Amino acid sequence: RKEVEQDPGPFNVPEGATVAFNCTYSNSASQSFFWYRQDCRKEPKLLMSVYSSGNEDGRFTAQLNRASQYISLLIRDSKLSDSATYLCVVTYGGATNKLIFGTGTLLAVQP
Amino acid sequence: GAVVSQHPSRVICKSGTSVKIECRSLDFQATTMFWYRQFPKQSLMLMATSNEGSKATYEQGVEKDKFLINHASLTLSTLTVTSAHPEDSSFYICSAPGYGSTDTQYFGPGTRLTVL
Repeated sequence: RKEVEQDPGPFNVPEGATVAFNCTYSNSASQSFFWYRQDCRKEPKLLMSVYSSGNEDGRFTAQLNRASQYISLLIRDSKLSDSATYLCVVTYGGATNKLIFGTGTLLAVQP
Repeated sequence: GAVVSQHPSRVICKSGTSVKIECRSLDFQATTMFWYRQFPKQSLMLMATSNEGSKATYEQGVEKDKFLINHASLTLSTLTVTSAHPEDSSFYICSAPGYGSTDTQYFGPGTRLTVL
C-alpha cells in the first residue's frame, strides 16, 4: 500500500466549476500535511499547508481529518490557470522535513 | 524568497557514463538537502537525504554506490549518477528546508536526465 494515495484523475472540469480532491495517508505518525501544485515538467510548488481546523486561501480550502487519515482540497470557481497536478504531501520524522508525496491528481480546466 | 538552483537543467548522455547534478541554495545555508526522482506520470520519490559534513541517508531500495551524494558545503549538494543506464532516465529534483521551519521547502527547478 502506498504511503499517500490519491485518485490520479484526470479531472476534466469547466471553468467556474468546483472540484474536490481527496487523499489518504497510511502512517498515523504523520506530522505535517500539505498540498503542492506541479505544472508539467516543473518543480512542485507549495499551494497550502493543511490543518485539522481547516484552512482557506482564496478559492482554495483544505481540510485534515486525523482520525480518518484523510486530507482534502476544494477549489472553487476553477480557472484555466488551475490546470496542473495537485500533490498531497505528508511529513514525519521530527525535524528532518522529509516529504512523502502522493501520486498526484491531474486537473484539466476546460474553457 | 529563498532560491535553490540546479545545474544542469537538462542532460543527455550515453549509457555507462556518469552524470553529476549540482544543487545550490543561493541565499541561505542548508545543512540538509533532499534528492527526489520523478519518473513520467509518477510522483516524486525521495531518494536520499544529504547531510553537510556527514554521509547521506538513503531511502530503501536506492543504491548508494550508484547514486553518490556529496554535501560539500552549506550551500552545495551534488548527486552523481554513476554508470548511468536508460532506466535511470528521470527528472531529478533537490530541495532544501527553510531555516527553522518544517513547513517550508525550497525546490530546485529539476534536472531532466536522458540516458541513451
